[in-house]
Amino acid sequence: KQEVTQIPAALSVPEGENLVLNCSFTDSAIYNLQWFRQDPGKGLTSLLLIQSSQREQTSGRLNASLDKSSGRSTLYIAASQPGDSATYLCAVLRGDDMRFGAGTRLTVKP
Amino acid sequence: NAGVTQTPKFRVLKTGQSMTLLCAQDMNHEYMYWYRQDPGMGLRLIHYSVGEGTTAKGEVPDGYNVSRLKKQNFLLGLESAAPSQTSVYFCASSYSSGDTDTQYFGPGTRLTVL
Repeated sequence: KQEVTQIPAALSVPEGENLVLNCSFTDSAIYNLQWFRQDPGKGLTSLLLIQSSQREQTSGRLNASLDKSSGRSTLYIAASQPGDSATYLCAVLRGDDMRFGAGTRLTVKP
Repeated sequence: NAGVTQTPKFRVLKTGQSMTLLCAQDMNHEYMYWYRQDPGMGLRLIHYSVGEGTTAKGEVPDGYNVSRLKKQNFLLGLESAAPSQTSVYFCASSYSSGDTDTQYFGPGTRLTVL
């Protein structure tokens, strides 16, 4: 059974700091890994999708990496801003089954 | 283009009552999903559908039923609500389940069962 773990559960940083969020998974036979953003009381928005054959994806200040052999992914946020405050979830897809981590709640202080 | 919409946004039920949550998407997606999100846990898949007229069980299907009579709609039913079903329910849709396909999520329905 696929288990997805995110560490830390919560993170608070000052504005402008670079930061890394971590995601680990137990079964490396995945189709893709995605990072989502969830704002309070809202649904999920996809940030980055890394196919199983890829090692990283970048979008603006966000960079996500994937190491299938070790079962790890990281989301790097450069020059954090208060608007980045949200919960970030990673999810792995295998077949029709997507498994989510519990998320990291990020607070960026002005 | 509304994307994925969910009705209602909030609902309070008494134990034993029944209700249906409606999910609608206007992106012509084949796949639709129902998840629940509980505090401190990630989203867990309840049921999903790979096309009109099809449904399949996810990770936590007990106590729920679903129907996909039209391609754009996916209904989640609770026949006899229990306090353990208090949760936030999210619907999602995707074109397929390939390695390049992302899921698009609705805003959620917050359900409380007393």
